[in-house]
Amino acid sequence: GAGVSQSPSNKVTEKGKDVELRCDPISGHTALYWYRQSLGQGLEFLIYFQGNSAPDKSGLPSDRFSAERTGGSVSTLTIQRTQQEDSAVYLCASSLDGRVEQYFGPGTRLTVT
Amino acid sequence: KQEVTQIPAALSVPEGENLVLNCSFTDSAIYNLQWFRQDPGKGLTSLLLIQSSQREQTSGRLNASLDKSSGRSTLYIAASQPGDSATYLCAVRAGANSKLTFGKGITLSVRP
Repeated sequence: GAGVSQSPSNKVTEKGKDVELRCDPISGHTALYWYRQSLGQGLEFLIYFQGNSAPDKSGLPSDRFSAERTGGSVSTLTIQRTQQEDSAVYLCASSLDGRVEQYFGPGTRLTVT
Repeated sequence: KQEVTQIPAALSVPEGENLVLNCSFTDSAIYNLQWFRQDPGKGLTSLLLIQSSQREQTSGRLNASLDKSSGRSTLYIAASQPGDSATYLCAVRAGANSKLTFGKGITLSVRP
């Protein structure tokens, strides 16, 4: 079956521009997570959606970051006014519910020049 | 705040060796622990999930153990192969419906 997909796979943008990253979770998975992986920092949690509940935004590093999940399926992570320190691989994961195994997508490599 | 540590950061072994990868966490009140594999430039592949009530899980040549009270988990790889070369990450979940907290991973190289 299809796994978690993310697009684009690579994104190069100029400092100050806005970017949108997309995640398509596994069909039927109610939980969706965004993480960021940067050199030396490891994997950091950003935001978590579970069903129709209010998302857990506790990991978002600044108000330039936002995410939405439409129709309980596809999610978009938006970064406004990108900075060089936003350069990282952004990973999306989904799980059947909030308690079980998380399955990760291939990630979007974001480079801010 | 939960912290997950994986030491050493890198490990090189000859093919065929049995090996153990270590993971420690500071807060023993976890819901479950998950081991992942990451190949260069790729996403994460889930290897094993251990619930807090379990002591170990096995899948093929992999065996993961959990000692919650001491804040430790190990991933045992039997008869290592060059194809096992990758970065191995452990991650803990504090409760149902919560995020994963990751270690920084151990980069394993298995020499032919």
